[in-house]
Amino acid sequence: GESVGLHLPTLSVQEGDNSIINCAYSNSASDYFIWYKQESGKGPQFIIDIRSNMDKRQGQRVTVLLNKTVKHLSLQIAATQPGDSAVYFCAEFGNQFYFGTGTSLTVIP
Amino acid sequence: EADIYQTPRYLVIGTGKKITLECSQTMGHDKMYWYQQDPGMELHLIHYSYGVNSTEKGDLSSESTVSRIRTEHFPLTLESARPSHTSQYLCASSEYRTGSDEQYFGPGTRLTVT
Repeated sequence: GESVGLHLPTLSVQEGDNSIINCAYSNSASDYFIWYKQESGKGPQFIIDIRSNMDKRQGQRVTVLLNKTVKHLSLQIAATQPGDSAVYFCAEFGNQFYFGTGTSLTVIP
Repeated sequence: EADIYQTPRYLVIGTGKKITLECSQTMGHDKMYWYQQDPGMELHLIHYSYGVNSTEKGDLSSESTVSRIRTEHFPLTLESARPSHTSQYLCASSEYRTGSDEQYFGPGTRLTVT
């Protein structure tokens, strides 16, 4: 199967600081990647996606960076807020979706 | 706001019982998925469907079955529940649009088999 792993299982940041969550993937043929946010007791919510023909994509307060050379994906959250506290998953799509373990982000007020 | 629903939200059931987890979406999406997720762990794809009368097994071996008789409905059935089936089950749907194949997730069913 595919291997999609996150470098850190937990991350704590101060409110207002920027957060960076990293993800490694193993299938160089994957051409579509998504970041999801999952709050306790809820299903994952789409945050941002990126296709393999791009190396950067920006949303509202979030940026995804894709480095195909080292098969690495990152999610940057600007001015992190308490409402950003959640588990963040990356997912890659080659022939089907594979999800990473997740990074738990805690925002300290 | 995603229009995808799962029932029941919570289920506690005894070993050997047959159970069906319901999933419905009102977005007209062709693709639907079932994932299994243990607390604090990644999602594992157990079944998916790309349209009516189309079902496939995912990467995680599962003793469950699915059906897709209608576009909006994708139920998951366990013929004989076991304690090892205790987990959260998440249903999702998607439809490819230019540049995006975003999956919309339901709230999940938390299953406990005693």
